[in-house]
Amino acid sequence: QVQLVQSGTEMKKPGASVKLSCQTSGYTFTSYGITWLRQAPGQGLEWMGWISPYNGNTDYPQKLQGRVTLTTDTSTSTAYMDLRSLRSDDTAFYYCARIHTSAWFFDYWGQGTLVTVSS
Amino acid sequence: EIVMTQSPATLSVSPGERATLSCRASQSVSNSLAWYQQKPGQAPRLLIYGASTTATGIPARFSGSGSGTEFTLTISNLQSEDFAVYYCQQYNSWPVTFGQGTKVDIK
Repeated sequence: QVQLVQSGTEMKKPGASVKLSCQTSGYTFTSYGITWLRQAPGQGLEWMGWISPYNGNTDYPQKLQGRVTLTTDTSTSTAYMDLRSLRSDDTAFYYCARIHTSAWFFDYWGQGTLVTVSS
Repeated sequence: EIVMTQSPATLSVSPGERATLSCRASQSVSNSLAWYQQKPGQAPRLLIYGASTTATGIPARFSGSGSGTEFTLTISNLQSEDFAVYYCQQYNSWPVTFGQGTKVDIK
């Protein structure tokens, strides 16, 4: 069965960087895009970008351009999200999700990783 | 970007009743609309895509309708496990955007 398993909780200081992982299984990794989203405590969902494991193409929302980088390792079917210059308002649950083959909705999700940014 | 507005913010429903949730787009998204369910401490789960197509494994009591700018998620015969927050998402225009959510709680 399709599974996305994310790395564990992170605590960071303002200005630091964090790199999260999302290990996938149960499907052909290079056949589906991966997206990342985040959810601040008690808030809604914010899209953070996507990557094609097939060719490495990426796109990010303008708000996060320059601070976020998505990568993949096709040898381990793992996706990564690197967020730099962390601020307190980056505190959130971060989710990876698989992009459906035919359209930009998300059919399988990781369990989420809590990132707390605090001095 | 397209703004998605969900109403109401909270919906109080008794078990066994029907819940009707609304989602409005600031401009037409055709039928490129998905619904997700999120329970406390869990990731969202895809319920509906294409405005009305039920995702794999989703019970038949969940149904979606609408097109253009007005969409509805209906949950018939509400079960205890259905009390959660529901989000709509448009994927017709870049970037994809979500509504702020509707919480369905027990009346």
